[in-house]
Amino acid sequence: QVQLQESGPGLVKPSQTLSLTCNVSGDSNSSATVSWSWIRQPAGKALQWIGRVSGSGTTNYNPSLKSRVTMSLDTSNKQFSLKLSSVTAADTAVYYCARGQQVLLYAFYMDVWGKGTTVTVSS
Amino acid sequence: SYVLTQPPSVSVAPGQTANIPCRGNNIGGKSVHWYQQKPGQAPVLVVYDDSDRPAGIPERFSGSKSANTATLIISRVEVGDEADYYCQVWDGITDPDVIFGGGTQLTVL
Repeated sequence: QVQLQESGPGLVKPSQTLSLTCNVSGDSNSSATVSWSWIRQPAGKALQWIGRVSGSGTTNYNPSLKSRVTMSLDTSNKQFSLKLSSVTAADTAVYYCARGQQVLLYAFYMDVWGKGTTVTVSS
Repeated sequence: SYVLTQPPSVSVAPGQTANIPCRGNNIGGKSVHWYQQKPGQAPVLVVYDDSDRPAGIPERFSGSKSANTATLIISRVEVGDEADYYCQVWDGITDPDVIFGGGTQLTVL
């Protein structure tokens, strides 16, 4: 049973870089169909996918955030990370990490989620 | 980019059936997934690939789809089903993106 746990600063200053890590425990499943995603949710609003990193290190990002996002995978330590640069108050949200399942080219969903971590952008 | 539209709220009495719609252009050609999110908790996948259930999800949760609308169907609704529900699709191959609907708050009266 895989479990995910987010960690990182809860407060980030405007214009700085938000950095979060997700630790993976249990049977993480190294299948080629598995990838690792970040999703965020501002208070009272809907979920927004930020991007994903595959087991081979290939990344895909939300087009609206692409210019500010970097994701990476550290398989030896069973963790993956998110960096979001030039943050503003609009980036204040609960950030979730999740395991994604790709079904051929037509479907992708997230079947295991971390509990989430709140990040506030404020001076 | 692709847009999924959900009603902000749906109400249902205990024991009845809740139908939560998710509308998108030609959504019939996409695979739709549904998440349940209770207050203060992370989302949980309840239906994937239109109508399949992950292990541990009650059979009361099911999904259907037509040309432009996908529907999450919750039979014999319980008070514990009260939550926000989000639909989600995968859009694009060359520049892929994950799209969520705006979410529907299910109230059990």
